[in-house]
Amino acid sequence: DGGITQSPKYLFRKEGQNVTLSCEQNLNHDAMYWYRQDPGQGLRLIYYSQIVNDFQKGDIAEGYSVSREKKESFPLTVTSAQKNPTAFYLCASTQQKNYGYTFGSGTRLTVV
Amino acid sequence: AQSVTQLDSHVSVSEGTPVLLRCNYSSSYSPSLFWYVQHPNKGLQLLLKYTSAATLVKGINGFEAEFKKSETSFHLTKPSAHMSDAAEYFCVPLQAGSARQLTFGSGTQLTVLP
Repeated sequence: DGGITQSPKYLFRKEGQNVTLSCEQNLNHDAMYWYRQDPGQGLRLIYYSQIVNDFQKGDIAEGYSVSREKKESFPLTVTSAQKNPTAFYLCASTQQKNYGYTFGSGTRLTVV
Repeated sequence: AQSVTQLDSHVSVSEGTPVLLRCNYSSSYSPSLFWYVQHPNKGLQLLLKYTSAATLVKGINGFEAEFKKSETSFHLTKPSAHMSDAAEYFCVPLQAGSARQLTFGSGTQLTVLP
């Protein structure tokens, strides 16, 4: 079955470390998105990519970086510049035809 | 741009009783609207989608929503709540033609009491 795979499910980061969250899709979707979700809040857009080798900042891009070298993959790096990285991170993808999003199951990042 | 208001941040129902989650939209034209559900520590799952084909939209797990233009509403309903329905629900407008197709608000938390 097609879908989006996020890994790992749980991730622990020490202060000052960079960590990378994986997002892979086999839906042949053009666009991919990264969201951050904090307790009791909605989803906030970090970065998005409409095509390979191109991406745009979302509303809260500071302290994060992404790449889109392959259509299937859109990894998110949480850098040491992100001061409060503890959150639930969700990856999504869609065709460009306004079909709505398909989501991964999320990665919970905790700073220790 | 389209926007929505989910009128309740929290809703509690007893198992076996009806569920009503309210959503009002603001748009100068007929919007496209989605309802998503998120169970704890999970990704979001599409429940149903309105795209003007039919005003009553049936979704998964017994949920349905009716688009009422006169009331600018797209409320989500289910005749009988099940414990497994406890989750966060998001009413989301489609921003047609935008790369940022969907913008998510804070949702409605549904609690189902035994």
